[in-house]
Amino acid sequence: ENVLTQSPATLSLSPGERATLSCRASQSVSSYVAWYQQKPGQAPRLLIYDASNRATGIPARFSGSGSGTDFTLTISSLEPEDSAVYYCQQRSGFTFGGGTKVEI
Amino acid sequence: QVLIVQSGAEVKKPGASVKVSCEASGYIFTTYSIHWVRQAPGQRLEWMGWINAGNGDRQYSQNFQGRVTITRDTSASTAYLELSSLNSEDTAVYYCARNPSGWYYLDNWGQGTLVTVSS
Repeated sequence: ENVLTQSPATLSLSPGERATLSCRASQSVSSYVAWYQQKPGQAPRLLIYDASNRATGIPARFSGSGSGTDFTLTISSLEPEDSAVYYCQQRSGFTFGGGTKVEI
Repeated sequence: QVLIVQSGAEVKKPGASVKVSCEASGYIFTTYSIHWVRQAPGQRLEWMGWINAGNGDRQYSQNFQGRVTITRDTSASTAYLELSSLNSEDTAVYYCARNPSGWYYLDNWGQGTLVTVSS
């Protein structure tokens, strides 16, 4: 089973700062990683697919990069509404990482 | 616009079964797949399975083999998740989500259905 490990578990930053979230796969997943944002009491929302493609309607401050086993979600300038848990997901088995909570 | 609406919260006793519905609108139902994902309190998202709404092909997570059944009714643009032999560890919010067939990401999600298993 290909396991996704996200770090850090929690990220506490101020508005306007840059957030860098990591997702590491135990085996290569090529570029088949997606990122989701989940706010309390809400369903997840697709942000990024295929490692670096922004989903429809997602602001440009969200960007993704990486391939193989190491992936990064970057929020270039944090807004208060970006407080959420962020999950990565892979194609193999459709499994999710454990999430990173971003506190602003 | 795409809208996915799930059925309401359920309370079940251990050993019982639950069936959750997922009604889609705003797109051609049979051109996408529907996935089911659950989230226990404070836990990560857990993928359960999917169905190709067009041809009915389906795949289940091995974690739920034998207990989960996913079906669809194309005339009603609705997919269903049935989970049997419930226990307290099945208490979770269950989500359905749309998936471009042949891909892996989930681009539109339902609001979630809370299933509580309690004696």
